[in-house]
Amino acid sequence: GAVVSQHPSWVICKSGTSVKIECRSLDFQATTMFWYRQFPKQSLMLMATSNEGSKATYEQGVEKDKFLINHASLTLSTLTVTSAHPEDSSFYICSATPVSGGAGMVETQYFGPGTRLLVL
Amino acid sequence: GENVEQHPSTLSVQEGDSAVIKCTYSDSASNYFPWYKQELGKRPQLIIDIRSNVGEKKDQRIAVTLNKTAKHFSLHITETQPEDSAVYFCAARFTGGGNKLTFGTGTQLKVEL
Repeated sequence: GAVVSQHPSWVICKSGTSVKIECRSLDFQATTMFWYRQFPKQSLMLMATSNEGSKATYEQGVEKDKFLINHASLTLSTLTVTSAHPEDSSFYICSATPVSGGAGMVETQYFGPGTRLLVL
Repeated sequence: GENVEQHPSTLSVQEGDSAVIKCTYSDSASNYFPWYKQELGKRPQLIIDIRSNVGEKKDQRIAVTLNKTAKHFSLHITETQPEDSAVYFCAARFTGGGNKLTFGTGTQLKVEL
């Protein structure tokens, strides 16, 4: 149980275009989803916290107009990288926490497989 | 906000030996401490976690200890095997941040034959 999927697994796009990444909790409902970015040989850096039905909370230094997050249901959150540039190339990973009483402890974050973005 | 330091950044051990990774956190109100294993290009996988009301937790070859007074927690892997080679991240959840986790910088563990 507690499986999280991401789509696409990798994407190559031209500079200036937008890319949408989906994060889905497959066998549980997630009250909260998190979006991380990970550069090679570095740790996971939290970008934003996504709560179903409300606006996302962005970490300091993350541009909300550039990284658009939509959390339309308890099983789906999307991250759209708008006007992507080469410096946005990275590994984007989402995670989800189950609703209270569901799979695992409510604090546990289950990660998706990640999306590798390359902006040319 | 929370700050988590992790040491060492790299660790090489012989197969069968034990490996210990240590983390310290800054916010004394932190109450949940998971450890994740990440293989190259893959997702972080939760391997063990502990809440602040427990001092130690063990799951087969893996154990985590927590010292709330000193604000540090450690991952212990016994009888290491080559498949234990990966990057390990500690994390802490501080109560003032919702369910957010702050991650350590990671430890590259290499188990040599």
